[in-house]
Amino acid sequence: DADVTQTPRNRITKTGKRIMLECSQTKGHDRMYWYRQDPGLGLRLIYYSFDVKDINKGEISDGYSVSRQAQAKFSLSLESAIPNQTALYFCATSDWTAKRYTFGSGTRLTVV
Amino acid sequence: GQQVMQIPQYQHVQEGEDFTTYCNSSTTLSNIQWYKQRPGGHPVFLIQLVKSGEVKKQKRLTFQFGEAKKNSSLHITATQTTDVGTYFCAGQISLGAQKLVFGQGTRLTINP
Repeated sequence: DADVTQTPRNRITKTGKRIMLECSQTKGHDRMYWYRQDPGLGLRLIYYSFDVKDINKGEISDGYSVSRQAQAKFSLSLESAIPNQTALYFCATSDWTAKRYTFGSGTRLTVV
Repeated sequence: GQQVMQIPQYQHVQEGEDFTTYCNSSTTLSNIQWYKQRPGGHPVFLIQLVKSGEVKKQKRLTFQFGEAKKNSSLHITATQTTDVGTYFCAGQISLGAQKLVFGQGTRLTINP
């Protein structure tokens, strides 16, 4: 089984719909992150969480929200999806040193 | 905010040629990490550099961290088709810092 699991792998949704992307991990890491990947822009941080009670905005948090339901679970929501949120979304985890990140396999989201 | 710039954005080489990607930070880094993302895959940790002037090798890959700890490079000698993918650098300002800042990535394609 994968250390970091993202669901769904692919999703097509309509403009205005609410959608949730889920991430779970078996690494036992406290820190979890949501990144968005767009061609030519690399990986941009949306939100991150250092533990269940700690949620922080990243550089592009507008239009997104998150929930840390447990140490192992961190979900990303788009309250009202718009086409420019079409992208590849990655969840990642690390321990407190952040010496290395472990990424999930990604969710490819298309908003039409 | 902190920025990490990576060049080139794209590089196409003939198999057997060398390849180098460069990373520059606007601020001094505690460490720098490198990740590889195969086409259709997710970023996978390659290495971390911590010390000023550090050089590490992994088979045909050579990683360097600048003396000022603001720049880094990844050099691949005699590329092979298995090297295809996008290479990301990611900088951390201080140990335990809140997050890594990723460069935009260099996409390497190889003509066999």
